Amino acid sequence: AQKVTQAQTEISVVEKEDVTLDCVYETRDTTYYLFWYKQPPSGELVFLIRRNSFDEQNEISGRYSWNFQKSTSSFNFTITASQVVDSAVYFCALSEGYNAGNMLTFGGGTRLMVKP
Amino acid sequence: KAGVTQTPRYLIKTRGQQVTLSCSPISGHRSVSWYQQTPGQGLQFLFEYFSETQRNKGNFPGRFSGRQFSNSRSEMNVSTLELGDSALYLCASRQGQSSPLHFGNGTRLTVT
Repeated sequence: AQKVTQAQTEISVVEKEDVTLDCVYETRDTTYYLFWYKQPPSGELVFLIRRNSFDEQNEISGRYSWNFQKSTSSFNFTITASQVVDSAVYFCALSEGYNAGNMLTFGGGTRLMVKP
Repeated sequence: KAGVTQTPRYLIKTRGQQVTLSCSPISGHRSVSWYQQTPGQGLQFLFEYFSETQRNKGNFPGRFSGRQFSNSRSEMNVSTLELGDSALYLCASRQGQSSPLHFGNGTRLTVT
């Protein structure tokens, strides 16, 4: 069965610090997709990134970067020079099979608090 | 382009009642999914609809049901409400099979 673990339930940093959110997943499928979503206080889940199991290339988007390592079944998310607006709950999710985004299994989430 | 719209934002119901939640997907998106979010169980998949057909269902009792209309709008219904049904219900839509889900703000249901 698929499973996503976000061991850090809460992280607190001071603005401009770098922070890494950990995500470890379990799946028996060789084809799967990994996602990161951000949930601000408004409640909606904001899509950040999707990665398929055949693409281990790391990605950078502005202050955000993602490190995908199949060898350790991890898909970690780093925010560089954090800002107060980054405060939110971040979810890592997994979807098995070719159908990207169907039946997501979410981790428990990491609450990030960025203090000014 | 407008995002996924869910109504109402908040609902308070009594145990034993039933409730219907509504979701309008992003224009052009034909797939709609529903998720339940609770402090104890986290985010859990309820079901997915595509072209008015339910394609997948999560591990929830039959009291949870849904449907999708020809304009892709979707509703989910929960009958015989229990206290444990109190949750944030999130709807999401996507354009195609290779597209990620885009979520709405959710409907917060409180059962008393």
